[in-house]
Amino acid sequence: EIVLTQSPGTLSLSLGERATLSCRASQSISSSHLAWYQQKPGQAPRLLIYATSSRATGIPDRFSGSGSGTDFTLTISRLEPEDFAVYYCQLFGTFFFTFGPGSKVDMK
Amino acid sequence: EVQLVESGGGLIQPGGSLRLSCGTSEFIVSNNFMSWVRQAPGKGLEWVSVIYSSGSTYYADSVKGRFTISRDNSKNTVYLQMNGLRAEDTAMYYCATKYGVPPGHYGMDVWGQGTTVTVSS
Repeated sequence: EIVLTQSPGTLSLSLGERATLSCRASQSISSSHLAWYQQKPGQAPRLLIYATSSRATGIPDRFSGSGSGTDFTLTISRLEPEDFAVYYCQLFGTFFFTFGPGSKVDMK
Repeated sequence: EVQLVESGGGLIQPGGSLRLSCGTSEFIVSNNFMSWVRQAPGKGLEWVSVIYSSGSTYYADSVKGRFTISRDNSKNTVYLQMNGLRAEDTAMYYCATKYGVPPGHYGMDVWGQGTTVTVSS
C-alpha cells in the first residue's frame, strides 16, 4: 500500500506570506489521483485541488497545486486570515483512498 | 450547496455495534463512489471504506472484517455497519463523494457534517 507523508508538520507564517506544503508518495502515482483538502476546527474537510493541479469549484486562485511522480506541492501564494488551517493530501487508489498526516499552517 | 447528511452515531460499549447512515435528496448516491472517512479527536483524517457505483467495496485494514459498507438505492442511502467496536474507533465519521469533479479525476467535493461515535464503557 502506498503511504503519503507531508511536510512540514507545522508552518508558522504571517499574513501575505507564501505557504509551500509538500506531499510525498512512497511510490509513483498518477497525477489525476492526488487531491488536497483544507480543514478548519469543527468543520468537515473542503476540497481545494483535484488531479494535482485543478482547483475545485469556488476555490480562490491563490491556491495552486503541482507535482508528479512521488512529489506534490500545494502553494498558497499570499496567506489570508481564513487560510490558517490544516491541509491534507489524499491519494485515490483503486482499493484504498489514503490521506497524508496533514500540515498545519498557523499564524506566526 | 450540495451536501450529505449522516446519522446513527452515539455512545456504545466496546464490542457493540452501530449502523451509520448517509443520504441526500440532491443527487443519486449510486452514480458515483461513496466513502466513509473518520477523524479521532485531535487526530488527522483516516479513510475507512468505499463503495463504488458497481457495488464493489473496499476497507482500510484497521476496520476490515468488522465494518461493512452497503447501499440501498431505493432509499438513496449508504450505510456503515460497525461491529466489534473498539475504543480506537472513537471518532467523527464523515461520508463523502465526488460530485462536481470531472470524470477520470478524483477528489471528494461533497461531505456530510459528520456523526460522532464514542466507544467507551
